[in-house]
Amino acid sequence: DGGITQSPKYLFRKEGQNVTLSCEQNLNHDAMYWYRQDPGQGLRLIYYSQIVNDFQKGDIAEGYSVSREKKESFPLTVTSAQKNPTAFYLCASTLRQESSYNSPLHFGNGTRLTVT
Amino acid sequence: GQQVMQIPQYQHVQEGEDFTTYCNSSTTLSNIQWYKQRPGGHPVFLIQLVKSGEVKKQKRLTFQFGEAKKNSSLHITATQTTDVGTYFCAEPITSGTYKYIFGTGTRLKVLA
Repeated sequence: DGGITQSPKYLFRKEGQNVTLSCEQNLNHDAMYWYRQDPGQGLRLIYYSQIVNDFQKGDIAEGYSVSREKKESFPLTVTSAQKNPTAFYLCASTLRQESSYNSPLHFGNGTRLTVT
Repeated sequence: GQQVMQIPQYQHVQEGEDFTTYCNSSTTLSNIQWYKQRPGGHPVFLIQLVKSGEVKKQKRLTFQFGEAKKNSSLHITATQTTDVGTYFCAEPITSGTYKYIFGTGTRLKVLA
């Protein structure tokens, strides 16, 4: 079955450590996204990538980094520079369609990161 | 950053009552998508509206796109406990970029 896999589901880290969240999709989607969700809050865009080897900053990119070396993979690194890293991180993907109809986002199950 | 506003932020209803959430933008939307996120889960796509004044129905859910394409609504008739979750609207932006901006969301609780 096609889908998006995020791992791990729960992640605990000490303050000052970098941590990388995995996101893999086998949907053959071009575009991939990372969103952050805080309790009771909406989704805020961290980074997105429209094609391999290219990515753009979203609204809250500071303290995060990404890479897109393969179409299927879009890992997110939460660096020690991120002041409030504890949150729910969601990865999503979609086909790029240059028309009035935009294909929907498919989300992974998310990773809950806790930094103490 | 760019954001689409949703109201209300929270809504508690008795099972069987109706529920409506509204999505408003200061700019004209090319189209709009709606998602549902169950507690502890991830957002799941519900529907997309493209045309001005468009109305679409999915069983007890009715989605509308404003005539000026600056607002949208989701109405649930006779809520059930399975409707619990957070409902988000999202605006796909494809001019010069390809990203999706989410509304602030409306959290629905249904009391049995």
